[in-house]
Amino acid sequence: AAGVIQSPRHLIKEKRETATLKCYPIPRHDTVYWYQQGPGQDPQFLISFYEKMQSDKGSIPDRFSAQQFSDYHSELNMSSLELGDSALYFCASSLEEGPGAFFGQGTRLTVV
Amino acid sequence: AQSVTQPDIHITVSEGASLELRCNYSYGATPYLFWYVQSPGQGLQLLLKYFSGDTLVQGIKGFEAEFKRSQSSFNLRKPSVHWSDAAEYFCAVGPFKAAGNKLTFGGGTRVLVKP
Repeated sequence: AAGVIQSPRHLIKEKRETATLKCYPIPRHDTVYWYQQGPGQDPQFLISFYEKMQSDKGSIPDRFSAQQFSDYHSELNMSSLELGDSALYFCASSLEEGPGAFFGQGTRLTVV
Repeated sequence: AQSVTQPDIHITVSEGASLELRCNYSYGATPYLFWYVQSPGQGLQLLLKYFSGDTLVQGIKGFEAEFKRSQSSFNLRKPSVHWSDAAEYFCAVGPFKAAGNKLTFGGGTRVLVKP
Protein backbone atom coordinates (compact mmCIF):
# COMPACT_ATOMS: atom_id res chain seq x y z
CA ALA A 1 0.00 0.00 0.00
CA ALA A 2 1.15 3.52 -0.71
CA GLY A 3 2.53 5.41 2.25
CA VAL A 4 3.44 8.97 3.04
CA ILE A 5 6.49 9.97 1.06
CA GLN A 6 8.92 12.57 2.31
CA SER A 7 11.86 14.03 0.50
CA PRO A 8 14.67 14.37 0.96
CA ARG A 9 15.37 11.75 3.61
CA HIS A 10 18.48 13.54 4.77
CA LEU A 11 19.52 17.16 4.42
CA ILE A 12 22.56 19.03 5.62
CA LYS A 13 22.47 22.82 5.62
CA GLU A 14 24.59 25.58 7.03
CA LYS A 15 23.36 28.20 9.48
CA ARG A 16 21.31 30.95 7.91
CA GLU A 17 20.57 28.86 4.82
CA THR A 18 17.09 27.84 3.72
CA ALA A 19 15.61 24.37 3.36
CA THR A 20 12.49 23.00 1.71
CA LEU A 21 11.00 19.71 2.84
CA LYS A 22 8.40 17.96 0.75
CA CYS A 23 5.60 15.64 1.71
CA TYR A 24 3.36 13.53 -0.51
CA PRO A 25 0.38 12.17 1.40
CA ILE A 26 -1.29 8.83 0.99
CA PRO A 27 -3.55 8.99 -2.09
CA ARG A 28 -7.00 10.45 -1.28
CA HIS A 29 -5.84 11.80 2.06
CA ASP A 30 -6.75 15.45 2.27
CA THR A 31 -5.03 16.42 5.51
CA VAL A 32 -1.32 16.89 6.09
CA TYR A 33 0.49 17.47 9.35
CA TRP A 34 4.08 18.48 10.08
CA TYR A 35 5.90 17.47 13.25
CA GLN A 36 9.38 18.18 14.55
CA GLN A 37 11.22 15.66 16.70
CA GLY A 38 14.39 16.83 18.36
CA PRO A 39 17.01 14.37 19.62
CA GLY A 40 15.53 12.28 22.41
CA GLN A 41 12.25 14.18 22.26
CA ASP A 42 8.70 13.29 21.38
CA PRO A 43 7.27 14.70 18.16
CA GLN A 44 6.00 18.25 18.45
CA PHE A 45 3.23 19.49 16.21
CA LEU A 46 4.14 22.33 13.87
CA ILE A 47 1.26 22.93 11.49
CA SER A 48 -1.49 21.18 9.56
CA PHE A 49 -3.54 21.67 6.44
CA TYR A 50 -6.97 20.42 5.50
CA GLU A 51 -8.14 20.83 1.92
CA LYS A 52 -5.24 23.19 1.22
CA MET A 53 -6.13 25.54 4.05
CA GLN A 54 -4.16 25.84 7.26
CA SER A 55 -6.24 24.12 9.92
CA ASP A 56 -4.12 24.19 13.05
CA LYS A 57 -0.87 25.72 14.14
CA GLY A 58 1.50 24.64 16.85
CA SER A 59 4.96 25.72 17.90
CA ILE A 60 6.15 26.65 14.44
CA PRO A 61 8.76 29.43 14.32
CA ASP A 62 8.03 32.50 12.22
CA ARG A 63 11.04 31.55 10.09
CA PHE A 64 9.11 28.52 8.91
CA SER A 65 6.21 28.48 6.51
CA ALA A 66 4.24 25.74 4.86
CA GLN A 67 1.54 25.22 2.32
CA GLN A 68 -0.53 22.48 0.77
CA PHE A 69 -0.87 22.42 -2.98
CA SER A 70 -3.75 21.47 -5.28
CA ASP A 71 -2.47 17.90 -5.52
CA TYR A 72 -2.43 17.78 -1.69
CA HIS A 73 1.29 17.54 -1.38
CA SER A 74 2.83 19.90 1.13
CA GLU A 75 6.09 21.77 1.52
CA LEU A 76 7.71 23.08 4.67
CA ASN A 77 9.98 26.03 4.01
CA MET A 78 12.57 26.85 6.62
CA SER A 79 14.65 30.01 6.43
CA SER A 80 17.52 31.48 8.44
CA LEU A 81 18.30 28.02 9.74
CA GLU A 82 19.69 27.72 13.23
CA LEU A 83 21.62 24.90 14.87
CA GLY A 84 18.58 24.18 17.01
CA ASP A 85 16.53 23.38 13.92
CA SER A 86 18.45 20.12 13.57
CA ALA A 87 15.80 17.48 14.01
CA LEU A 88 13.75 14.81 12.37
CA TYR A 89 10.79 16.35 10.55
CA PHE A 90 7.79 14.15 10.04
CA CYS A 91 4.91 14.59 7.73
CA ALA A 92 1.69 12.71 8.35
CA SER A 93 -1.54 12.45 6.43
CA SER A 94 -5.11 11.45 7.16
CA LEU A 95 -8.65 11.62 5.88
CA GLU A 96 -10.80 14.44 7.16
CA GLU A 97 -12.66 12.22 9.59
CA GLY A 98 -10.01 12.59 12.21
CA PRO A 99 -6.40 12.88 13.16
CA GLY A 100 -5.53 9.22 12.82
CA ALA A 101 -2.42 9.99 10.95
CA PHE A 102 -0.02 7.85 9.02
CA PHE A 103 3.52 9.13 9.21
CA GLY A 104 6.26 9.29 6.65
CA GLN A 105 9.80 8.14 7.34
CA GLY A 106 10.85 11.66 8.11
CA THR A 107 13.49 14.05 6.86
CA ARG A 108 16.55 14.33 9.03
CA LEU A 109 17.78 17.90 8.89
CA THR A 110 21.23 18.70 10.19
CA VAL A 111 22.25 22.31 10.47
CA VAL A 112 25.99 22.88 10.76
CA ALA B 1 -5.63 21.23 27.04
CA GLN B 2 -4.93 17.67 26.05
CA SER B 3 -1.92 15.86 27.45
CA VAL B 4 -0.44 12.38 27.45
CA THR B 5 1.71 10.83 30.13
CA GLN B 6 3.84 7.76 29.72
CA PRO B 7 5.14 7.15 33.24
CA ASP B 8 7.90 4.74 32.26
CA ILE B 9 10.83 6.27 30.40
CA HIS B 10 12.64 2.95 30.05
CA ILE B 11 11.49 -0.65 30.35
CA THR B 12 13.74 -3.69 30.11
CA VAL B 13 12.12 -7.01 29.40
CA SER B 14 13.44 -10.47 28.61
CA GLU B 15 12.70 -11.98 25.24
CA GLY B 16 9.57 -14.10 25.47
CA ALA B 17 8.24 -12.24 28.50
CA SER B 18 5.12 -10.12 28.48
CA LEU B 19 5.20 -6.36 28.06
CA GLU B 20 2.86 -3.63 29.22
CA LEU B 21 3.40 0.04 28.48
CA ARG B 22 1.34 2.57 30.38
CA CYS B 23 -0.36 5.58 28.91
CA ASN B 24 -2.59 8.08 30.70
CA TYR B 25 -4.27 10.93 28.94
CA SER B 26 -6.07 14.08 29.84
CA TYR B 27 -8.71 15.22 27.45
CA GLY B 28 -12.00 17.04 27.78
CA ALA B 29 -13.98 15.00 25.30
CA THR B 30 -13.93 11.66 23.56
CA PRO B 31 -10.41 11.26 22.27
CA TYR B 32 -8.81 9.36 19.49
CA LEU B 33 -5.99 7.28 20.99
CA PHE B 34 -2.98 5.87 19.21
CA TRP B 35 0.16 3.90 19.78
CA TYR B 36 3.17 4.37 17.53
CA VAL B 37 6.50 2.58 17.47
CA GLN B 38 9.76 4.16 16.39
CA SER B 39 12.95 2.22 15.76
CA PRO B 40 16.20 4.18 16.08
CA GLY B 41 16.51 6.79 13.33
CA GLN B 42 13.27 5.64 11.75
CA GLY B 43 9.80 7.00 11.27
CA LEU B 44 6.71 6.46 13.34
CA GLN B 45 4.76 3.32 12.59
CA LEU B 46 1.14 3.10 13.68
CA LEU B 47 0.58 0.04 15.86
CA LEU B 48 -3.08 0.54 16.63
CA LYS B 49 -5.74 3.13 17.27
CA TYR B 50 -8.98 3.49 19.19
CA PHE B 51 -11.91 5.59 18.14
CA SER B 52 -14.95 3.89 19.62
CA GLY B 53 -16.54 0.50 20.14
CA ASP B 54 -14.74 -2.48 21.64
CA THR B 55 -12.32 -1.16 24.22
CA LEU B 56 -9.77 -3.89 23.51
CA VAL B 57 -8.02 -3.04 20.28
CA GLN B 58 -5.84 -5.39 18.30
CA GLY B 59 -2.91 -4.00 16.37
CA ILE B 60 -0.03 -5.12 14.25
CA LYS B 61 2.94 -7.19 15.41
CA GLY B 62 0.87 -8.92 18.09
CA PHE B 63 0.18 -5.79 20.12
CA GLU B 64 -3.10 -4.91 21.76
CA ALA B 65 -4.29 -2.01 23.85
CA GLU B 66 -7.18 -1.53 26.23
CA PHE B 67 -9.07 1.73 26.62
CA LYS B 68 -10.29 2.35 30.16
CA ARG B 69 -12.32 5.52 30.32
CA SER B 70 -12.62 5.45 34.11
CA GLN B 71 -8.85 5.44 34.45
CA SER B 72 -8.12 7.65 31.43
CA SER B 73 -5.70 5.00 30.31
CA PHE B 74 -4.78 3.28 27.09
CA ASN B 75 -2.14 0.72 27.99
CA LEU B 76 -0.31 -1.28 25.35
CA ARG B 77 0.42 -4.96 25.83
CA LYS B 78 2.16 -7.82 24.13
CA PRO B 79 2.08 -11.37 25.55
CA SER B 80 5.53 -12.42 24.33
CA VAL B 81 8.19 -9.94 23.32
CA HIS B 82 10.60 -10.53 20.45
CA TRP B 83 14.05 -8.97 20.18
CA SER B 84 12.78 -6.93 17.22
CA ASP B 85 10.33 -5.15 19.54
CA ALA B 86 13.18 -3.13 21.00
CA ALA B 87 12.22 0.42 20.07
CA GLU B 88 10.61 3.55 21.42
CA TYR B 89 6.86 3.56 21.83
CA PHE B 90 4.72 6.67 21.78
CA CYS B 91 1.16 7.03 22.93
CA ALA B 92 -0.79 9.88 21.33
CA VAL B 93 -4.18 11.51 21.65
CA GLY B 94 -6.15 13.57 19.18
CA PRO B 95 -9.52 15.29 19.08
CA PHE B 96 -12.59 13.41 17.99
CA LYS B 97 -13.70 14.14 14.43
CA ALA B 98 -11.63 17.26 14.04
CA ALA B 99 -9.97 17.36 10.69
CA GLY B 100 -6.50 18.76 10.60
CA ASN B 101 -6.05 18.96 14.33
CA LYS B 102 -2.90 17.81 15.93
CA LEU B 103 -1.86 14.72 17.79
CA THR B 104 -0.31 15.22 21.18
CA PHE B 105 2.35 12.68 22.01
CA GLY B 106 3.53 11.29 25.29
CA GLY B 107 7.20 11.42 26.13
CA GLY B 108 7.77 7.90 24.90
CA THR B 109 8.88 4.66 26.52
CA ARG B 110 12.09 3.05 25.36
CA VAL B 111 11.90 -0.73 25.43
CA LEU B 112 15.05 -2.79 25.74
CA VAL B 113 14.84 -6.53 25.14
CA LYS B 114 17.28 -8.85 26.89
CA PRO B 115 18.16 -12.14 25.21
